[in-house]
Amino acid sequence: NAGVMQNPRHLVRRRGQEARLRCSPMKGHSHVYWYRQLPEEGLKFMVYLQKENIIDESGMPKERFSAEFPKEGPSILRIQQVVRGDSAAYFCASSPRNKPPDGYTFGSGTRLTVV
Amino acid sequence: AQKITQTQPGMFVQEKEAVTLDCTYDTSDPSYGLFWYKQPSSGEMIFLIYQGSYDQQNATEGRYSLNFQKARKSANLVISASQLGDSAMYFCAMREGAQGAQKLVFGQGTRLTINP
Repeated sequence: NAGVMQNPRHLVRRRGQEARLRCSPMKGHSHVYWYRQLPEEGLKFMVYLQKENIIDESGMPKERFSAEFPKEGPSILRIQQVVRGDSAAYFCASSPRNKPPDGYTFGSGTRLTVV
Repeated sequence: AQKITQTQPGMFVQEKEAVTLDCTYDTSDPSYGLFWYKQPSSGEMIFLIYQGSYDQQNATEGRYSLNFQKARKSANLVISASQLGDSAMYFCAMREGAQGAQKLVFGQGTRLTINP
């Protein structure tokens, strides 16, 4: 039973380009969460999605960031026109419906570097 | 307001000693959960232990135990018989509200170094 899969593991983008981060939840998990970790800090919640629905996007920056979790395929976190301050590790987590805590599983993260 | 506070940016401990990592939290919700995660230098987030606000006993998982003092709003992680492989960042996190609300709030972390 594969865990939460994130790709790519490392991503380098030039300022102004788009970054697209993918997250495939564990089999049977219908809830996906995205977190961002700046260097030497804890994780900060960004967005919570269920299939085809954004449930809570209170942690998403107002501009350039978007997320989706389509009916088929992985969840995508998209960052348009990246800037140096977007450099961070982005983690995805998934859970089955209403089943903390052992169902809350993190992926290995995507390290985004903006040059 | 900071919801999760980890006051120890770094700790150095001799191998085989026990270590306590501090975590205090702030919430007015009667239903909440507290988590500890380990993040080694490779970067992944490894779940260690969980304590629910209504749990009567302190959680334990192998060498990890959670010293839950509800009145003081503290949830310290205790690692017994530390090993070199325990060197990592450790994060305390809290989930507020009913079970369906699983957003986690993380502390700033404590970097633990185990010396041989």
